[in-house]
Amino acid sequence: DQQVKQNSPSLSVQEGRISILNCDYTNSMFDYFLWYKKYPAEGPTFLISISSIKDKNEDGRFTVFLNKSAKHLSLHIVPSQPGDSAVYFCAASGTSYGKLTFGQGTILTVHP
Amino acid sequence: KAGVTQTPRYLIKTRGQQVTLSCSPISGHRSVSWYQQTPGQGLQFLFEYFSETQRNKGNFPGRFSGRQFSNSRSEMNVSTLELGDSALYLCASSLTQENIQYFGAGTRLSVL
Repeated sequence: DQQVKQNSPSLSVQEGRISILNCDYTNSMFDYFLWYKKYPAEGPTFLISISSIKDKNEDGRFTVFLNKSAKHLSLHIVPSQPGDSAVYFCAASGTSYGKLTFGQGTILTVHP
Repeated sequence: KAGVTQTPRYLIKTRGQQVTLSCSPISGHRSVSWYQQTPGQGLQFLFEYFSETQRNKGNFPGRFSGRQFSNSRSEMNVSTLELGDSALYLCASSLTQENIQYFGAGTRLSVL
């Protein structure tokens, strides 16, 4: 039972263009959502988060949108840079102490 | 501020052995969570500790255990290792009032 899904295993974009990574969830008890970036042989690095009381959060080139009715969130990266190439994980938390539920990840490749 | 530190970075064990992994959280963080990452299952929650107490546990067999010390450092132990325990084990810490978890670089365990 995968409660957080990232349906696109990979995404390829040109440098300078927008990258849009998508995530869907099924558990209505989730109230906080996070995006992490991961390079090989490293742990996930926190990027940006959003509470369920908001529908948008921005931090520099990164913006996260939340559509609660559709149980969908997305991460926009504008402009994309080659250094953004990594695996991106969507994660969700709810009432369960210390537990993040992760999606399977999307490999983003930004071409120069 | 130093990040989350995990030791060792790499381990090779044989079936039937046991292993102990260590995690030092960010200074001031009292919650420590552990995750297992495998290619097939993705990032799966193992357990969470706060103030030396396990508050939450994921769906793993009893061979997986952990503990937390008074200085918030945590260890996890896997007994009677199986080939399927080969994975990247990640530790994350967070402030009690936040949902944002900060990850260490992980311990890569190979079971032969």
